Amino acid sequence: EDKVVQSPLSLVVHEGDTVTLNCSYEVTNFRSLLWYKQEKKAPTFLFMLTSSGIEKKSGRLSSILDKKELSSILNITATQTGDSAIYLCAEAGGTSYGKLTFGQGTILTVHP
Amino acid sequence: GAVVSQHPSRVICKSGTSVKIECRSLDFQATTMFWYRQFPKQSLMLMATSNEGSKATYEQGVEKDKFLINHASLTLSTLTVTSAHPEDSSFYICSAEPGQSNSGKLFFGSGTQLSVL
Repeated sequence: EDKVVQSPLSLVVHEGDTVTLNCSYEVTNFRSLLWYKQEKKAPTFLFMLTSSGIEKKSGRLSSILDKKELSSILNITATQTGDSAIYLCAEAGGTSYGKLTFGQGTILTVHP
Repeated sequence: GAVVSQHPSRVICKSGTSVKIECRSLDFQATTMFWYRQFPKQSLMLMATSNEGSKATYEQGVEKDKFLINHASLTLSTLTVTSAHPEDSSFYICSAEPGQSNSGKLFFGSGTQLSVL
């Protein structure tokens, strides 16, 4: 059974701090690893990672995959209150990107 | 970008009634749609894969007679929670995969918060 584990489960920081969120996976047929941000309703796509060691970056967010360690990290620098959300890591195995196995999520709270 | 519309956004119903949730892909055809459920402070759990023109595939532990899925067209999938009970109260969300996409970008509906009294 595919499994995705995230840590920490929750994190409280102040504006301006840098945070690192972790995701590890155990899957039988790895295809890609995805990060989503969920604020209230629908998760919004952040990154898709398929190749090990290649950092993807979008503004203050960046992510990298380590296939040897079966893990990924999501970094957020200079956090803002608007970054407060649940960050979900998911693995897309099999033949479809839609059949995702999600981790438990990391609840990030950024205080002013 | 692609848009997935989900309706209703919130429903409150009495125990024993059935509730239908619609998921529509507005500007693309989706041969496959996925239904997830999320309990408070927990992650999204895949319930079933909806396939246009064929039977849905349910994940282990999900009752197919309880959660009826119909994918009658390339732009619409429906999830019907039959004889709903309070333990079915949850956030239900669909996602759709464009037929020719390999970007990995899944498109999610805005979700339906179901509360069963």
